[in-house]
Amino acid sequence: DTGVSQNPRHKITKRGQNVTFRCDPISEHNRLYWYRQTLGQGPEFLTYFQNEAQLEKSRLLSDRFSAERPKGSFSTLEIQRTEQGDSAMYLCASSSQGVNTEAFFGQGTRLTVV
Amino acid sequence: KQEVTQIPAALSVPEGENLVLNCSFTDSAIYNLQWFRQDPGKGLTSLLLIQSSQREQTSGRLNASLDKSSGRSTLYIAASQPGDSATYLCAGGTGANNLFFGTGTRLTVIP
Repeated sequence: DTGVSQNPRHKITKRGQNVTFRCDPISEHNRLYWYRQTLGQGPEFLTYFQNEAQLEKSRLLSDRFSAERPKGSFSTLEIQRTEQGDSAMYLCASSSQGVNTEAFFGQGTRLTVV
Repeated sequence: KQEVTQIPAALSVPEGENLVLNCSFTDSAIYNLQWFRQDPGKGLTSLLLIQSSQREQTSGRLNASLDKSSGRSTLYIAASQPGDSATYLCAGGTGANNLFFGTGTRLTVIP
């Protein structure tokens, strides 16, 4: 296992279209996180899964955003009716259970909405 | 809400210099503090994790310290190299390991 994998690496879409991103965490990690990062800013938390259960969602996650983690393995993040303000880097991270566990990030998916 | 601040926003140093990056946070009830490196257009690479019960962690030329009472962490880089050029991010971790990030320090090491 080589780490957290995200696909695609880049996505360009027209405003109003739906997009879906995939994250494959480190296999033994039961926690999975999605973050969003805009240019010049640090990543901002979107949502968090423990196994297949989505335990926390940020207020940043509008009703156009939905995330799933069926079977507690890979996760998908879907954005419906994309807007130009959705343009950002979407980062996935995973960690093992515990309060002092290291989070490992993927390479991110760069979304550009035109 | 946890607020994380990193100073300076950008730093340029000549190769070989030792340097310190600063991180401050508002809520001392963090469980851990993690330092990351980010290259342009790339994801985050974890450098060091300091648990709340620890005061510092070392990895190679990197040393990170944590002072919860004052809400500060520092990342010390010894004998800087051009390959160290990147953005360095600190993040405070909650119990569920949701991380609150600073905006980063962009480091340039000049050969």
